[in-house]
Amino acid sequence: DGGITQSPKYLFRKEGQNVTLSCEQNLNHDAMYWYRQDPGQGLRLIYYSQIVNDFQKGDIAEGYSVSREKKESFPLTVTSAQKNPTAFYLCASSMGGGGYNEQFFGPGTRLTVL
Amino acid sequence: ELKVEQNPLFLSMQEGKNYTIYCNYSTTSDRLYWYRQDPGKSLESLFVLLSNGAVKQEGRLMASLDTKARLSTLHITAAVHDLSATYFCAVGTASKLTFGTGTRLQVTL
Repeated sequence: DGGITQSPKYLFRKEGQNVTLSCEQNLNHDAMYWYRQDPGQGLRLIYYSQIVNDFQKGDIAEGYSVSREKKESFPLTVTSAQKNPTAFYLCASSMGGGGYNEQFFGPGTRLTVL
Repeated sequence: ELKVEQNPLFLSMQEGKNYTIYCNYSTTSDRLYWYRQDPGKSLESLFVLLSNGAVKQEGRLMASLDTKARLSTLHITAAVHDLSATYFCAVGTASKLTFGTGTRLQVTL
């Protein structure tokens, strides 16, 4: 089955720790995205990548980092510099980049800071 | 900066009645997407509207796009409990998707 997987489903972080969220897709999509969702709010773009070995900051990139070494994978690291990381994180992918291509979403990772 | 506003933010619907959600946006675009999100779950794609005047229907939901008015509507016909969820519109531009804040629908008997 083609789709997007994210792991883990739930993640707990102690203050000062870096954690990495996994996102894998087998849709052969070129573009991948990371969004953050806070309770009762819409999605905000953290980072996106339109091609392997290239990525751009979104609207709220501070305290986050990404890599895109393979087409299928786009991991997100939440660093200790992110002061309020508790949120629901969603990964998405699309055939091409930008907003002119439909984005498909993974199941999400819920991150909680202890 | 593109702004996307949805209203209402919360809608309590009675089963069997009709309702409309509005999505206004602040810049030119002819790409509008509607998504559904169930509590604690991810986003599910509902509609992709690609041009002015586009209308798409699936079951009790119908979405339309007026690019001149910068407005999309999601019309619900004869609401049923299964439609209870949060609905997001998202506007596509060359660089990215920008999401509205969502409309939470709750269907009551």
